[in-house]
Amino acid sequence: AQSVTQLGSHVSVSEGALVLLRCNYSSSVPPYLFWYVQYPNQGLQLLLKYTTGATLVKGINGFEAEFKKSETSFHLTKPSAHMSDAAEYFCAISSGYSTLTFGKGTMLLVSP
Amino acid sequence: DAGITQSPRYKITETGRQVTLMCHQTWSHSYMFWYRQDLGHGLRLIYYSAAADITDKGEVPDGYVVSRSKTENFPLTLESATRSQTSVYFCASSSGSFTETQYFGPGTRLLVL
Repeated sequence: AQSVTQLGSHVSVSEGALVLLRCNYSSSVPPYLFWYVQYPNQGLQLLLKYTTGATLVKGINGFEAEFKKSETSFHLTKPSAHMSDAAEYFCAISSGYSTLTFGKGTMLLVSP
Repeated sequence: DAGITQSPRYKITETGRQVTLMCHQTWSHSYMFWYRQDLGHGLRLIYYSAAADITDKGEVPDGYVVSRSKTENFPLTLESATRSQTSVYFCASSSGSFTETQYFGPGTRLLVL
């Protein structure tokens, strides 16, 4: 069985501050891990994904995530938040040949 | 237009009625998916299709029916709508299996009265 847990349904940051969204996973086989972003009234779009190889993955809009097997984590970071980053972020996992399982999402709020 | 589209974008219906949500993609992706999004649950897979005429159940298939006679279309039917099926429905497609990037449509907001 596979699962992801996103810590914190809401995260608030000030513009210019570090963004850290947490995701922990559970999988009995090597996982593929994803971060998707959903802007209001839109569908999801891929931010970044980890398949194999380099554990630090860079995505769009300045986001990056690091795969840490020992900690079973795939946290999403961005050095400096922008107002346009306000959205809901979903961590997702696919391992083996199983379907994609999404976390419950974290709403990122950015204040000026 | 290129991409993945869903129709209608908004739908209000009554319990017991049949409703069909449409999904169309122009990339010739082999895989297509239907998800529902509910507060506190994230996205949950309803059905998916690996190719035309090949469909399979996801996590929450009860009360839904799908078909895929053409690669580009993947309609989702609620045979007898219930209030618990009030949700936002997303269609997605990908070129490969579940480890590939999925591309999402804009969603259909369904309200069942």
